[in-house]
Amino acid sequence: GAVVSQHPSWVICKSGTSVKIECRSLDFQATTMFWYRQFPKQSLMLMATSNEGSKATYEQGVEKDKFLINHASLTLSTLTVTSAHPEDSSFYICSAPDSHSTDTQYFGPGTRLTVL
Amino acid sequence: GENVEQHPSTLSVQEGDSAVIKCTYSDSASNYFPWYKQELGKRPQLIIDIRSNVGEKKDQRIAVTLNKTAKHFSLHITETQPEDSAVYFCAASNHGGSQGNLIFGKGTKLSVKP
Repeated sequence: GAVVSQHPSWVICKSGTSVKIECRSLDFQATTMFWYRQFPKQSLMLMATSNEGSKATYEQGVEKDKFLINHASLTLSTLTVTSAHPEDSSFYICSAPDSHSTDTQYFGPGTRLTVL
Repeated sequence: GENVEQHPSTLSVQEGDSAVIKCTYSDSASNYFPWYKQELGKRPQLIIDIRSNVGEKKDQRIAVTLNKTAKHFSLHITETQPEDSAVYFCAASNHGGSQGNLIFGKGTKLSVKP
């Protein structure tokens, strides 16, 4: 199956700083990628849909100015958590649909963000 | 928007027994229903999926059934093994509408006791 990578795998930062997370499709092109957030022992919550060459679509309740998404190429989407606070600590996971079937999604390994 | 309910939240079975996890969805336009297995701290792994034009699909010990009328779908694992222990998530998407964004159930923690 398709391979999706994320970087970094974990990050610890101070409150008020910004953190950038990268999501890459390694062996296929993805015009669309999805960003999810998962709190401990909870489900994956869709945050936004990242669209190559255009603005991201955010889910209700997700602040677009706080979670900046850039999808500048067909293989890379970035999520920047701006002015991070302890409540932003979570597991952030991206996914991308298989280019041959827009149903099947492949997930990245996730990024564990801890804000002190 | 779509809402996916999943039951039970926890499930404990003896090795060799069967496990069944059930999900319901609200949006009749949803047409794709995958199941993911997630081990602690790792990415969700697709284990089986079903599309709305099919009522049942089987892959070795894993099967999924879909009832479009009732808007529910179920995961069946037979001959469970300790390595099946994980959190399982169901999801639904309206492929045509949003290019496949998934709405997940809350998950079921499956424990298989040796």
